[in-house]
Amino acid sequence: QVQLVQSGAEVKKPGASVKISCKASGYTFTSYYMHWVRQAPGQGLEWMGIINPNGGSTTYAQKFQGRVTMTRDTSTSTVYMDLSSLRSDDTAVYYCARDRRDGYTSFDYWGQGTLVTVSS
Amino acid sequence: DIQMTQSPSSLSASVGDRVTITCQASQSISSYLNWYQQKSGKAPELLIYGASTLQSGVPSRFSGSGSGTDFTLTISSLQPEDFATYYCHQSYYTPYTFGQGTKLEIK
Repeated sequence: QVQLVQSGAEVKKPGASVKISCKASGYTFTSYYMHWVRQAPGQGLEWMGIINPNGGSTTYAQKFQGRVTMTRDTSTSTVYMDLSSLRSDDTAVYYCARDRRDGYTSFDYWGQGTLVTVSS
Repeated sequence: DIQMTQSPSSLSASVGDRVTITCQASQSISSYLNWYQQKSGKAPELLIYGASTLQSGVPSRFSGSGSGTDFTLTISSLQPEDFATYYCHQSYYTPYTFGQGTKLEIK
């Protein structure tokens, strides 16, 4: 069965960076794009970007350009999301989500989420 | 960016009720509209993609319709497990964007 397992919660100081992992299993890792979506406490969902595990190409939301880097390791079927220059408003649960890749982009499997708290 | 506006923001209903949630896009997105259900403390789950196609395993009481700028999610007969927050999501243009959510509560 498809599973996306994310790394654990993080507490960071303003200005620091955080790197979250998302390990995929149960399917061919390189056949499905992966997205990152975040959700601030009590707020809605915000798309951050996408990575193609086959080749590593990425597209980031303009809002995060220059601060976010998405990478992958095909040997471990893991994608990573690195967010730098953290601010208090980056406090959120970060999700990886698999792209269905069947005509209409949608997210059919999600990781359990990783809470990142940015606080001095 | 494409703005997605859901209504209502919250809704109280009873088990067995028929419920409709609407989502409007700020420009045409064809049928690139998805719906997700999110329960408290959990990741969202895909209900409907391509505006009207039911994701595998999702009960048939859920249905979606619409194209262009106006979309609807309908739950034909509410069950206790349906009380959650629902989000629409456009995947026509990046940045992909979500509606603000509709919180469905028990009356």
